[in-house]
Amino acid sequence: DIQMTQSPSSLSTFVGDRVTVTCRASQTIDGNLHWYQQKPGKAPKLLIYAASSLQSGVPSRFIGSGSGTDFTLTISSLHPEDVATYFCQQSYRIPYTFGQGTKLQIK
Amino acid sequence: QVQLQESGPGLVKPSETLSLTCTVTGGSTNSSNYYWVWIRQPPGKGLEWIGNIYYSGSTYYNPSLKSRVTMSVDTSKNLFSLRLNSVTAADTAVYYCAIHSSSWSLRHYAMDVWGQGTTVTVSS
Repeated sequence: DIQMTQSPSSLSTFVGDRVTVTCRASQTIDGNLHWYQQKPGKAPKLLIYAASSLQSGVPSRFIGSGSGTDFTLTISSLHPEDVATYFCQQSYRIPYTFGQGTKLQIK
Repeated sequence: QVQLQESGPGLVKPSETLSLTCTVTGGSTNSSNYYWVWIRQPPGKGLEWIGNIYYSGSTYYNPSLKSRVTMSVDTSKNLFSLRLNSVTAADTAVYYCAIHSSSWSLRHYAMDVWGQGTTVTVSS
């Protein structure tokens, strides 16, 4: 299986800050990397697909980048409603696998 | 737009079979446009892809669960199903159904529609 490792596991920062979450794959996955946002008690929501494409309806402050094994999700200016856990997921090879999640909180 | 709703028993005894259904509205399980997916999330933990099924009945299962998993599609009722046998406490989780496009070029198989999830507890 392809292992997906996210960092950090959690972070706490201020409204308006720029936030960066990274995701590393144990082998190359080309651009087959997606980011999801999950709020407590809710299903995950697709934010970014194919590493850098913004899902319809998602605010433009969410930016994805990377290819190969290293990927980044950036929130350009943190809003209070961005408090959530963020997961990366690869669809390069079955079984599809997820990162362990990054829990984002506001100071 | 496609919407999904999971249903099934919230409590299953150890060694028995977990059975869940995902009812589809706004779309057809007889459509070649989607793969129908099951994912689970143990309490306080991350997400695990269980497998997917195509309208034709072809399936792809996570090897870690393959010996215990069966997925099926019921086009007459417009739903798809998950069966997981010989359950243990480790199978306690929120179970989600989801879809991704069958066209790689659209979203590289990203899961863009999810059900709300259903909690299944394995306990005697």
